[in-house]
Amino acid sequence: IAGITQAPTSQILAAGRRMTLRCTQDMRHNAMYWYRQDLGLGLRLIHYSNTAGTTGKGEVPDGYSVSRANTDDFPLTLASAVPSQTSVYFCASSDGGGATDTQYFGPGTRLTVL
Amino acid sequence: GQNIDQPTEMTATEGAIVQINCTYQTSGFNGLFWYQQHAGEAPTFLSYNVLDGLEEKGRFSSFLSRSKGYSYLLLKELQMKDSASYLCAVRDSNYQLIWGAGTKLIIKP
Repeated sequence: IAGITQAPTSQILAAGRRMTLRCTQDMRHNAMYWYRQDLGLGLRLIHYSNTAGTTGKGEVPDGYSVSRANTDDFPLTLASAVPSQTSVYFCASSDGGGATDTQYFGPGTRLTVL
Repeated sequence: GQNIDQPTEMTATEGAIVQINCTYQTSGFNGLFWYQQHAGEAPTFLSYNVLDGLEEKGRFSSFLSRSKGYSYLLLKELQMKDSASYLCAVRDSNYQLIWGAGTKLIIKP
């Protein structure tokens, strides 16, 4: 069982380019999330999806878009990358029910925008 | 606004006990989580508290006081592999997690 996979592991991108970060989970979790992690700051939620076919905006959604066509995949797209989007991006999933609803994280994508 | 506060960095000795504190001010409360994150890796779940009191899991324990907006993570019998960042997160009224910046724990031999 792989859990959550993310691709690519790392990427250097020129400003203005379009980029899609991929996230796939095999746990049949209903909910999925995208976070960014920057030095000195807590994880910040970009977008989330409570179930396939629905998405919602988190704390820092500007410049990012997501889709959730099926249960397993939750890609994050940067339409026109800017240097302030340099960060480590984590995808997470949870089963969306139960008292705990623990989030489980993928290994992350380290993105540098020049 | 919503706020989670934790110390930036702590140092402890192998074999000792360390307590990492977390205070929070959030719009609503639906549980508090502790995660461990080794450098360059993903956060991994450690503990969950929703009721006041102490939850014990092996060498790790987590305490919650909802009236004080306070939690701590207690690590006993410290090992070198416990060197990591420890993240506190609160689930708010929208059922979203609000994260602290994390506490970097350095273990010395």
